Amino acid sequence: DIQMTQSPSSLSASVGDGVTINCQASQDISNYLNWYQQKPGKAPKLLMYDASKLQTGVPSRFSGSGSGTDFTLTISSLQPEDIATYYCQQYYIVPRTFGQGTKVEIK
Amino acid sequence: QVHLVQSGAEVKKPGASVKVSCKTSGYTFINDGISWVRQAPGQGLEWMGWISGYSHNTNYAQKFQGRVTMTTDTSTSTAYMEVRSLRSDDTAVYYCARGSSWYAYWGQGTLVTVSS
Repeated sequence: DIQMTQSPSSLSASVGDGVTINCQASQDISNYLNWYQQKPGKAPKLLMYDASKLQTGVPSRFSGSGSGTDFTLTISSLQPEDIATYYCQQYYIVPRTFGQGTKVEIK
Repeated sequence: QVHLVQSGAEVKKPGASVKVSCKTSGYTFINDGISWVRQAPGQGLEWMGWISGYSHNTNYAQKFQGRVTMTTDTSTSTAYMEVRSLRSDDTAVYYCARGSSWYAYWGQGTLVTVSS
């Protein structure tokens, strides 16, 4: 199975700050990487697919980059509604696997 | 609009089975598959498997092979997932999601509690 490792596990930032979340795959997954946002008690929400494609309706302050084994999700200006846990997920092979999550809080 | 509506919460004893349903609408069911993802309390997301919308092809995570069965009813555009021999560590919210690669549409989740 492909292991997905996210860093940091949690972060605290101020409203308006730029935030970066990293995701590393245990092997080359090309750009077969998605990002989700999950708020407490809710289903995950797709933010990015194919590493850098913004899902319809997602604010443009979210962006994704990377290929191969190293990927990044960036929030250009953190907003209060962005408080959530973020997960990366590979779909290069089955089983699909998720990172362990990064919890984003407001400082 | 695409909707995935799951069955309600369940409480089961260890060793029992549970079957969760996922009724879809707003798209052509046979054109896409359904994946199942679970989340234990306070934990991350765990992919369980996928079933095709038009055939009975399935892919299960090795961890669940032999204990989980995914099925579909194309006449009602509904997917089902059965977990047998439940253990306490199967306590989780179980989600269905449309697709096999990325998941833009999710069910609301079904809490399955396994407790004696």
